[in-house]
Amino acid sequence: EPEVTQTPSHQVTQMGQEVILRCVPISNHLYFYWYRQILGQKVEFLVSFYNNEISEKSEIFDDQFSVERPDGSNFTLKIRSTKLEDSAMYFCASSEPGTSNQPQHFGDGTRLSIL
Amino acid sequence: DQQVKQNSPSLSVQEGRISILNCDYTNSMFDYFLWYKKYPAEGPTFLISISSIKDKNEDGRFTVFLNKSAKHLSLHIVPSQPGDSAVYFCAAISRGGYQKVTFGTGTKLQVIP
Repeated sequence: EPEVTQTPSHQVTQMGQEVILRCVPISNHLYFYWYRQILGQKVEFLVSFYNNEISEKSEIFDDQFSVERPDGSNFTLKIRSTKLEDSAMYFCASSEPGTSNQPQHFGDGTRLSIL
Repeated sequence: DQQVKQNSPSLSVQEGRISILNCDYTNSMFDYFLWYKKYPAEGPTFLISISSIKDKNEDGRFTVFLNKSAKHLSLHIVPSQPGDSAVYFCAAISRGGYQKVTFGTGTKLQVIP
């Protein structure tokens, strides 16, 4: 069964540094998402991406964050000037085109630790 | 801002019995509901969904019930199996929400052999 893959599985970064989290969505999917889960809290929506542009973003997704689809397979989340509170699991997801409300398929996440 | 609430953080059920996981929501704009299952160190896995125009959807051992007037949904697993032990997230998508999924806090299900 096709999977969403995320790399790295664990990223440790010094506070203030930039980090790029990478995702390879399922190949025929056209909608892409990033979510995060801070330890002990619920999974929170960050951003959705379709047709090479952001379609929706949450209040969490401020100027510190950006997303990009640099080629036909990768989808990246860049976090600039990382802060301690950015430490979380970051999940990438993708869904099929077609009718709305297609279930989103999630990767296994990248654990981001900011020191 | 808890638009999707799962009031039971944990549930233990004997193997073979029914597991019932509950979820309440507050946003009337939600029109599509999902259940995800999550194992440790893995991402959420889609389990089953239901549109707001329906009140029941069944897929094998899993059935989701939706009571729109009460803004309540539930997931029934019968019979429960030890492999069902995981965290279950209720989730919702609102009309025109570009498929932004709003998650509940999760219920940890333990199925005891």
